[in-house]
Amino acid sequence: GAVVSQHPSWVICKSGTSVKIECRSLDFQATTMFWYRQFPKQSLMLMATSNEGSKATYEQGVEKDKFLINHASLTLSTLTVTSAHPEDSSFYICSASDREGSEKLFFGSGTQLSVL
Amino acid sequence: EDKVVQSPLSLVVHEGDTVTLNCSYEVTNFRSLLWYKQEKKAPTFLFMLTSSGIEKKSGRLSSILDKKELFSILNITATQTGDSAVYLCAVEETGGYQKVTFGIGTKLQVIP
Repeated sequence: GAVVSQHPSWVICKSGTSVKIECRSLDFQATTMFWYRQFPKQSLMLMATSNEGSKATYEQGVEKDKFLINHASLTLSTLTVTSAHPEDSSFYICSASDREGSEKLFFGSGTQLSVL
Repeated sequence: EDKVVQSPLSLVVHEGDTVTLNCSYEVTNFRSLLWYKQEKKAPTFLFMLTSSGIEKKSGRLSSILDKKELFSILNITATQTGDSAVYLCAVEETGGYQKVTFGIGTKLQVIP
């Protein structure tokens, strides 16, 4: 089945630094990728939708200058948390779709971000 | 390699039917099993299961975990068209940092 690789799995950083998270589709071309934050026992909160070669669409309340998304190729999207602060500590997950409008999403294994 | 397998992949039922969705898993350091309902882009949390044999219930939905046989089921009784969605099973692992492995989902369609 389709595989989405997310890297790194865990990152600890100092406040004020930037952190980049990668999401790769390993065996299919992902026209659309989604980025989420997840808090324990809660729904995944959609942060943004990224389409290859175009600007990401951010959900209301998500700062686009804080969470930079780049979807430069059909197999790679990156989320950069700029000037991270402790309140950005969370579990970030990506998912990918192989065609527009498809209900089937393939999820990465998540990145735990801890900002000191 | 960790795996989470859901079955069936797709299901079509009539309103009022009862459905059972299955999720089996093989992970190294099990912590919990999660069920989500995905209607649009972001899955909605349904249940978290950590202990065997204890049924979790929410309205017409219920779920139970068997840690010996490594599977969980999600039951939906008296289905309604609003139950139509993709249901995702995911397994959380321990081991220093959080890791989640999702199944590919079961697509449920409830027809009037």
